[in-house]
Amino acid sequence: KNQVEQSPQSLIILEGKNCTLQCNYTVSPFSNLRWYKQDTGRGPVSLTIMTFSENTKSNGRYTATLDADTKQSSLHITASQLSDSASYICVVSATANAGKSTFGDGTTLTVKP
Amino acid sequence: DARVTQTPRHKVTEMGQEVTMRCQPILGHNTVFWYRQTMMQGLELLAYFRNRAPLDDSGMPKDRFSAEMPDATLATLKIQPSEPRDSAVYFCASGLETPSEAFFGQGTRLTVV
Repeated sequence: KNQVEQSPQSLIILEGKNCTLQCNYTVSPFSNLRWYKQDTGRGPVSLTIMTFSENTKSNGRYTATLDADTKQSSLHITASQLSDSASYICVVSATANAGKSTFGDGTTLTVKP
Repeated sequence: DARVTQTPRHKVTEMGQEVTMRCQPILGHNTVFWYRQTMMQGLELLAYFRNRAPLDDSGMPKDRFSAEMPDATLATLKIQPSEPRDSAVYFCASGLETPSEAFFGQGTRLTVV
């Protein structure tokens, strides 16, 4: 069964600190992995998308890594800001166009002043 | 400003009533997705369309849910009859074929009482 597991479930950090969120998956075949940020009451917004051949991708202060051999991904947030408080969802797709996607349960990040 | 537009944003209805949710995908996107999000289940894919044709609706309860794309600018998700367990936030997303990321709308928060 295809699964995406995220850890930790929740995380509290102080503003300005760095943090790393983890995503392990068992989806096969593998097409791409996305990280989404979802603010409370809003729709998810894509941060990064990586295919099999990519192992690092950055979007501002967000850097995602992918190890397709171990089926692990991480999202690193640098110099956190209060606005980073959100749920971060890892999504792994078996097909190229986001169909047949398996969603993680998300990590809820709280950044405190 | 290209974005996915969903209406209504909020809907409260009585059990047994028909509910219709609408989505206007981003112009030019040929893939449309319907997702449901609850606290218990997280994000679940209900159905998706490519070039207006349904590709997969295996995640959707067939007896009461139906999804259609009358034209390229409108996708609808209907529930008839609605039940309290259908209470959730329903997201529409649109995208392109490979490589793809799905752009989400703001969601319709449905409450069935």
